[in-house]
Amino acid sequence: GAVVSQHPSRVICKSGTSVKIECRSLDFQATTMFWYRQFPKKSLMLMATSNEGSKATYEQGVEKDKFLINHASLTLSTLTVTSAHPEDSSFYICSARDSDRGLGNTIYFGEGSWLTVV
Amino acid sequence: AQSVTQLGSHVSVSEGALVLLRCNYSSSVPPYLFWYVQYPNQGLQLLLKYTTGATLVKGINGFEAEFKKSETSFHLTKPSAHMSDAAEYFCAVSDRVTPLVFGKGTRLSVIA
Repeated sequence: GAVVSQHPSRVICKSGTSVKIECRSLDFQATTMFWYRQFPKKSLMLMATSNEGSKATYEQGVEKDKFLINHASLTLSTLTVTSAHPEDSSFYICSARDSDRGLGNTIYFGEGSWLTVV
Repeated sequence: AQSVTQLGSHVSVSEGALVLLRCNYSSSVPPYLFWYVQYPNQGLQLLLKYTTGATLVKGINGFEAEFKKSETSFHLTKPSAHMSDAAEYFCAVSDRVTPLVFGKGTRLSVIA
């Protein structure tokens, strides 16, 4: 089946530094990818919609200058957390819409990335 | 706007007992409905989905869900719970265009 790969799975960074998380669709092209954030014991919150070749669409309340999203190819989207702070520590999950498979439009998720800012 | 309500943040069942996780949705257009499972410290895994056609959908690991338009529900069931089913389960709704809208999740505990 379709696979979405997310890397790194875990990362620890110092406060004030930036960290990049990659999301790749391995066996299908994804014109649209989504980035979610999951707070402890809470559901997933959509951060932004990433469209290949264009600017990402951010949800209300998400700082676009802090969470930089780049979708440079049909199989890769990246999320860069800039000037990270401890409150940015969270579980970040990407997903990709498999638009190649027609009806169903299934969205597949990466395995997530645990970010800890110390 | 679409929304999902999962009744019960925590469900506990005995091993071998029926699993029933409830999901109700709100959508102004015919919905696509999904159930995802998240094991501890892992990402989301698709259990099953409903798009069109047969309203009873079978997924992986013995789970199934039935789309009931009149009740705006998409409850997840499994006849006999296994210890390995203990996880967080998320119901989600979408259409062809919008991203998924998730419920708050239901944590399933299985008691030996």
